[in-house]
Amino acid sequence: AQSVTQLGSHVSVSEGALVLLRCNYSSSVPPYLFWYVQYPNQGLQLLLKYTSAATLVKGINGFEAEFKKSETSFHLTKPSAHMSDAAEYFCAVSVSGAGKSTFGDGTTLTVKP
Amino acid sequence: GAGVSQSPSNKVTEKGKDVELRCDPISGHTALYWYRQSLGQGLEFLIYFQGNSAPDKSGLPSDRFSAERTGGSVSTLTIQRTQQEDSAVYLCASSRGRGDYNEQFFGPGTRLTVL
Repeated sequence: AQSVTQLGSHVSVSEGALVLLRCNYSSSVPPYLFWYVQYPNQGLQLLLKYTSAATLVKGINGFEAEFKKSETSFHLTKPSAHMSDAAEYFCAVSVSGAGKSTFGDGTTLTVKP
Repeated sequence: GAGVSQSPSNKVTEKGKDVELRCDPISGHTALYWYRQSLGQGLEFLIYFQGNSAPDKSGLPSDRFSAERTGGSVSTLTIQRTQQEDSAVYLCASSRGRGDYNEQFFGPGTRLTVL
């Protein structure tokens, strides 16, 4: 069975600083990996996904993530944080045939002015 | 176009009562998922439908929980004899095909409070 661990339930950065949200996965077969974002009082929406094409995946709102098989990681980054990036971020993993994704516990990002 | 809708948006009930939560997926989406999100917790998978069948019910917490999907569209999640620990936000999502590699589109959720 696959699983995902998000390191750090809360991350705080200053506006303009680098955003780094960590995600490590466990899977015995090649995974599919996703990052979703949940803005306050809104539903989850997809930021980006990795499905075995390019290892560096670009998403919406300037976010990107790099699949590193050797480190079993899929960390989410953004060079410069905006106040509007404040939200909860979820990493998810799936494998072919699973039919569903397994989500991490989420990381709440706070952006300070 | 219309997204995933859920009703009611909020439900307050008394312990021991039954509740029904409804999900309308995006038209044409064959896969439908139910999750539970408790305060400060991640998404807990409950059940997954492909069409009207549920290949994976492994996340249903107890036999008080059941779900059905009809016409490959609307789904209802029923919780019988509700308990206070059932209080959470129940999220529904749908995807165009299998959820292995397809994006899931989420509804706004139903906030259930059991008094």
